[in-house]
Amino acid sequence: QKEVEQDPGPLSVPEGAIVSLNCTYSNSAFQYFMWYRQYSRKGPELLMYTYSSGNKEDGRFTAQVDKSSKYISLFIRDSQPSDSATYLCAIAMKTSYDKVIFGPGTSLSVIP
Amino acid sequence: DTAVSQTPKYLVTQMGNDKSIKCEQNLGHDTMYWYKQDSKKFLKIMFSYNNKELIINETVPNRFSPKSPDKAHLNLHINSLELGDSAVYFCASSPRTSGSLGGPQYFGPGTRLTVL
Repeated sequence: QKEVEQDPGPLSVPEGAIVSLNCTYSNSAFQYFMWYRQYSRKGPELLMYTYSSGNKEDGRFTAQVDKSSKYISLFIRDSQPSDSATYLCAIAMKTSYDKVIFGPGTSLSVIP
Repeated sequence: DTAVSQTPKYLVTQMGNDKSIKCEQNLGHDTMYWYKQDSKKFLKIMFSYNNKELIINETVPNRFSPKSPDKAHLNLHINSLELGDSAVYFCASSPRTSGSLGGPQYFGPGTRLTVL
């Protein structure tokens, strides 16, 4: 079983839709969770990060973590064509160093 | 102001050559990383340095040698380049306080390496 699994898509939605992006992970030792957005031919850009279960909101973006189910989600409200990108979930655990595991990414297209 | 910068942005070279990629961050972070993103967009860590000390060294061929002259710089030297080395290489940095959870990672724009 892979450490992080994510549906690669592609996911195509109309402008204004609510988008739900999801990841599952296998190791309950993971302690912090991140979402990155990557536009084509660009570096990953940090969107949100959280250490705890529950919801964290930032503008149109909401990150949700359920540690009991080992499930993380990113919701995008009122999606815009500029949201079209690949979204990567990332998880990490504290050991003697911080090792971050990235999901393979979900490709999202928001159609005007 | 670019927070994490990499040079060069593109690198095209022949098999067997040796090349270097440079990375600099002006965020004041303690930890820097090299990642490889292959054609399937999978992002995989290669190395990590914390205050010039190597802390992560994944199963990477020893043709790859990182070097951190100071905590703001992390370079990657690749010897005897092979076709399979073609990928996008990303540098990243994060704040990290010893004994506590680290912070999230901030990425550079990437270096697209093509080996012919």
